Amino acid sequence: DTGVSQDPRHKITKRGQNVTFRCDPISEHNRLYWYRQTLGQGPEFLTYFQNEAQLEKSRLLSDRFSAERPKGSFSTLEIQRTEQGDSAMYLCASSPPQGSNTEAFFGQGTRLTVV
Amino acid sequence: QKEVEQNSGPLSVPEGAIASLNCTYSDRVSQSFFWYRQYSGKSPELIMSIYSNGDKEDGRFTAQLNKASQYVSLLIRDSQPSDSATYLCAVNRPRITGGGNKLTFGTGTQLKVEL
Repeated sequence: DTGVSQDPRHKITKRGQNVTFRCDPISEHNRLYWYRQTLGQGPEFLTYFQNEAQLEKSRLLSDRFSAERPKGSFSTLEIQRTEQGDSAMYLCASSPPQGSNTEAFFGQGTRLTVV
Repeated sequence: QKEVEQNSGPLSVPEGAIASLNCTYSDRVSQSFFWYRQYSGKSPELIMSIYSNGDKEDGRFTAQLNKASQYVSLLIRDSQPSDSATYLCAVNRPRITGGGNKLTFGTGTQLKVEL
C-alpha cells in the first residue's frame, strides 16, 4: 500500500444517472477527506471522516451527494441524478491520526464528465 | 476577499533560476500551511509543509512563513523544466471537528521553467 487509491480514474455518465466513486486511504490513516476540483480552481473541501464517523460536510455537498465510510477503511462518494455542473475531478485524501497539523495525501482522483 | 490568494501566473523563469511563489491568507487563526504541486491532469502532490514562522528547507525547496503578515511563500532553487506545473497553496482551518486537516486552497500559480 503505497498511497491513496481511487476508482474509477475516469467516469463518463449521462445527466440524471447515479455514480459512485471509491477511495482506499493509506492503511494507517484514520482521517479521510473528499474534495472537488474544477478547471482552473484549487480543490474545494466536500466532507471529512475520522474513522467511520462523518464529522463535517461542506455546503457544497448538496442532498444529491452522499459519502460513507462504513468500516473506517475505504470510503464511497455517491452522486445521485447527476447534473452537468457536477463535472469535475473528485479527489480523496487521507492523513494520519496525530494532531490536527498533519499532512494530507491525495489519490489520483476520479474525473467525472456528465454529458 | 478570498481566503487564500495566489497569483495565477504564468510565472516564467529560465532553467537554473530561482522561482518565487507567493500566497496570502485571510484567517489569522490558520495553523499550518502546505504547498502542493499539480501537473496538468494529475492530482496534487504534497511537496512542503510549514507550521511556524521562518524558513523550512527541503532540497531545492524552501517554504517561508510570516504569520504576522499572513504570508507564505515557496522558493524553488535551480529550477528545472520538470518543475513546470501549477503550485497550490493550502491552509489548514483548525476548527474542524475532531482535528484533521480541512484545507482551503488557492487557485494555484502556474510555473513555467524555460530552457
